[in-house]
Amino acid sequence: AQRVTQPEKLLSVFKGAPVELKCNYSYSGSPELFWYVQYSRQRLQLLLRHISRESIKGFTADLNKGETSFHLKKPFAQEEDSAMYYCALSGKNFNKFYFGSGTKLNVKP
Amino acid sequence: DTEVTQTPKHLVMGMTNKKSLKCEQHMGHRAMYWYKQKAKKPPELMFVYSYEKLSINESVPSRFSPECPNSSLLNLHLHALQPEDSALYLCASSQEVTEGGGNEQFFGPGTRLTVL
Repeated sequence: AQRVTQPEKLLSVFKGAPVELKCNYSYSGSPELFWYVQYSRQRLQLLLRHISRESIKGFTADLNKGETSFHLKKPFAQEEDSAMYYCALSGKNFNKFYFGSGTKLNVKP
Repeated sequence: DTEVTQTPKHLVMGMTNKKSLKCEQHMGHRAMYWYKQKAKKPPELMFVYSYEKLSINESVPSRFSPECPNSSLLNLHLHALQPEDSALYLCASSQEVTEGGGNEQFFGPGTRLTVL
């Protein structure tokens, strides 16, 4: 069965510190992985996806098929990064998204 | 226009009321979705429409009735809801995709529903 796991409900870091939000998945095949972000009082929006291999707002994520992980990283966190982050997977049924439970990132000044 | 819009923003209804939520997109997307999101929880998929046809129903109670009148519009008709149905209802759209990816979903701001 498909599953996305985000082990941390809350992650607090100081401004300028590195941050890593963990995401592990289980899927029998080649999934497409995404990170979505939801800032306070704003809509859910795509942050990045593994196939584009981009860096958005300083965030990167690498798909590790051996460890079935797609961790989100940023070397220097900013206060404006404080938000809820969801890892999501799209599999064989490309219309179906599986969301992880989310990690709330709190960047302290 | 690269946004998904939803109306109303807020809705309060009684358990005997009938109301509808509306969603619109003009990005040429042929897949549209309804999600339910409870506080501090991830979105839960309810329905998927593909080319205006219902392709996925995640065992949603019949008091929720989706409708896709055309490729740009998606409605969710509500009748005889329960207080536990109070939540943020999100609409999303995406290109109709085949293997190869590109299945980014664009989300609307949601309708905050309260059932009294």
